[in-house]
Amino acid sequence: GQQLNQSPQSMFIQEGEDVSMNCTSSSIFNTWLWYKQEPGEGPVLLIALYKAGELTSNGRLTAQFGITRKDSFLNISASIPSDVGIYFCAGGSSNTGKLIFGQGTTLQVKP
Amino acid sequence: NAGVTQTPKFRVLKTGQSMTLLCAQDMNHEYMYWYRQDPGMGLRLIHYSVGEGTTAKGEVPDGYNVSRLKKQNFLLGLESAAPSQTSVYFCASRTSWTDFGYTFGSGTRLTVV
Repeated sequence: GQQLNQSPQSMFIQEGEDVSMNCTSSSIFNTWLWYKQEPGEGPVLLIALYKAGELTSNGRLTAQFGITRKDSFLNISASIPSDVGIYFCAGGSSNTGKLIFGQGTTLQVKP
Repeated sequence: NAGVTQTPKFRVLKTGQSMTLLCAQDMNHEYMYWYRQDPGMGLRLIHYSVGEGTTAKGEVPDGYNVSRLKKQNFLLGLESAAPSQTSVYFCASRTSWTDFGYTFGSGTRLTVV
């Protein structure tokens, strides 16, 4: 079936540093999304991307929908302790109506 | 506005026991989903529903059954629990076929011993 490869699997960074993570697939998606999951909670949508090449920001977060429609990246600038959590990429197909999730990137921020 | 509510939050089962996980949403969403989350494996789709009275299999449906008798509720059943079903289960819902902004519940942590 469809799979997303998300990297890195985990990151341990210093407060104030910038963070970058990405997601690649062998399949084309119509929509790319990024979710954040905090401990003990369900994932929460951060950013949704609908067009190839689209670059969207949400505060300190910036995400891009790859030109090939097979990849996406998420950048977090000037990280703070509350950025801690698991970040999931997800690819959506309007043909199947299904959303496929990456394995997640666990982010830890050292104050 | 409660969103998606899952009950129970925690449960420990003995192998062979059965249980039902309840998901309720108050957003009038058509589509509802059950995922399981295991370390390093992301979220994997168990079953889903595209409307009241309908259900369909996802990526990992074996050992689970579901029902959607009412639009707002989506039940996940384990008839005979196995240790391999130890996981965190998430319910999610969305409004339409092309809207992938899922709303997730806070999860049910299930341990099968």
